[in-house]
Amino acid sequence: EADIYQTPRYLVIGTGKKITLECSQTMGHDKMYWYQQDPGMELHLIHYSYGVNSTEKGDLSSESTVSRIRTEHFPLTLESARPSHTSQYLCASSADRDRGRKLFFGSGTQLSVL
Amino acid sequence: GNSVTQMEGPVTLSEEAFLTINCTYTATGYPSLFWYVQYPGEGLQLLLKATKADDKGSNKGFEATYRKETTSFHLEKGSVQVSDSAVYFCALDSNYQLIWGAGTKLIIKP
Repeated sequence: EADIYQTPRYLVIGTGKKITLECSQTMGHDKMYWYQQDPGMELHLIHYSYGVNSTEKGDLSSESTVSRIRTEHFPLTLESARPSHTSQYLCASSADRDRGRKLFFGSGTQLSVL
Repeated sequence: GNSVTQMEGPVTLSEEAFLTINCTYTATGYPSLFWYVQYPGEGLQLLLKATKADDKGSNKGFEATYRKETTSFHLEKGSVQVSDSAVYFCALDSNYQLIWGAGTKLIIKP
């Protein structure tokens, strides 16, 4: 079973607030990812990391930032939340270095910005 | 660029019916192909995968065959159960990330 945890599970917050979504994994995976997903829609990669001190932006433009100071921890921060940020945020990790990449996903954070 | 196209949902079937969810892809080279499943209230999890042409991935009664000639990776199951109700995502491995289909919601009625 996957050992990747996201908190909070649900978050309702007002416009302009700073928020941090937490993601931790205990599998020692080097690669970690943040996806944004609207209900029933495809996943969009917003950030990824190949290891400590490595962070890259994904395909979807995002006003969020990430950090990777420790292997197991990959938090995502929104400096000033807006209603357009309302979505589900999924964190994932992977250790596969060969073909056949398997991602382990957290349960997600459902964010609502009022 | 690389892309994945999935059958639009929702797909509604009766229990014990045969299931096919279509997935086609566009890619250079020979990417690995995946089906992920998202059960209600849970995170995504890998259902099955295939890493080269003609490979068949299988798990929990589901199967999908990597067809390079038709650039397809259709998901099939011979007899679905209510517990199979979920959203299914087809994906391909492209360099540093997975390219995802839009997802297909499957509803199985008793």
